[in-house]
Amino acid sequence: EADIYQTPRYLVIGTGKKITLECSQTMGHDKMYWYQQDPGMELHLIHYSYGVNSTEKGDLSSESTVSRIRTEHFPLTLESARPSHTSQYLCASSLYVGGLDEKLFFGSGTQLSVL
Amino acid sequence: GEDVEQSLFLSVREGDSSVINCTYTDSSSTYLYWYKQEPGAGLQLLTYIFSNMDMKQDQRLTVLLNKKDKHLSLRIADTQTGDSAIYFCAESSNYGGSQGNLIFGKGTKLSVKP
Repeated sequence: EADIYQTPRYLVIGTGKKITLECSQTMGHDKMYWYQQDPGMELHLIHYSYGVNSTEKGDLSSESTVSRIRTEHFPLTLESARPSHTSQYLCASSLYVGGLDEKLFFGSGTQLSVL
Repeated sequence: GEDVEQSLFLSVREGDSSVINCTYTDSSSTYLYWYKQEPGAGLQLLTYIFSNMDMKQDQRLTVLLNKKDKHLSLRIADTQTGDSAIYFCAESSNYGGSQGNLIFGKGTKLSVKP
């Protein structure tokens, strides 16, 4: 059973607000990821981390930022939310084995709506 | 660049077999994966296949890999209404800074009619 948690599950906020989406995992996984999912289902990698103090940008440019101060915690922050940020955000983690076998475990997602 | 292609929709009747197809571009991928996403949930690893295998069977699931054509398929036998979900094909990226990251297809939405 995968133990990766995202909060909040749903978030509706106004334009210009600062928000932080939380993601925690209790599996001791080194590698963590944030994906943005379109309403049309497609997944876009926006951030990932190999471990503490490591953060990398993904394939899709994003105005969000991430931090990795602790192994188990990988929060995503939007300094000033806009309607274009409305999306489903999925956090994932994996036991990094050098890129050969990256089985990802996903959280349930945060559905963000910016009005 | 790397790409993974899937058809977007599949509709079957309960009890029939479902076959979801996927094509990929990176022939050096070591593993290929199938993930399932139920409504309102994150993705869940369903099954995977090592690149030197042609077939893998796991209960109702059969994965077929044709490396020559870079074609991967997932067959679900005796499809049930509980199998209704979005199925994502994925391969490992072996390019530069994104090595080890998965490249996902756009997902195939499977609808199972009673």
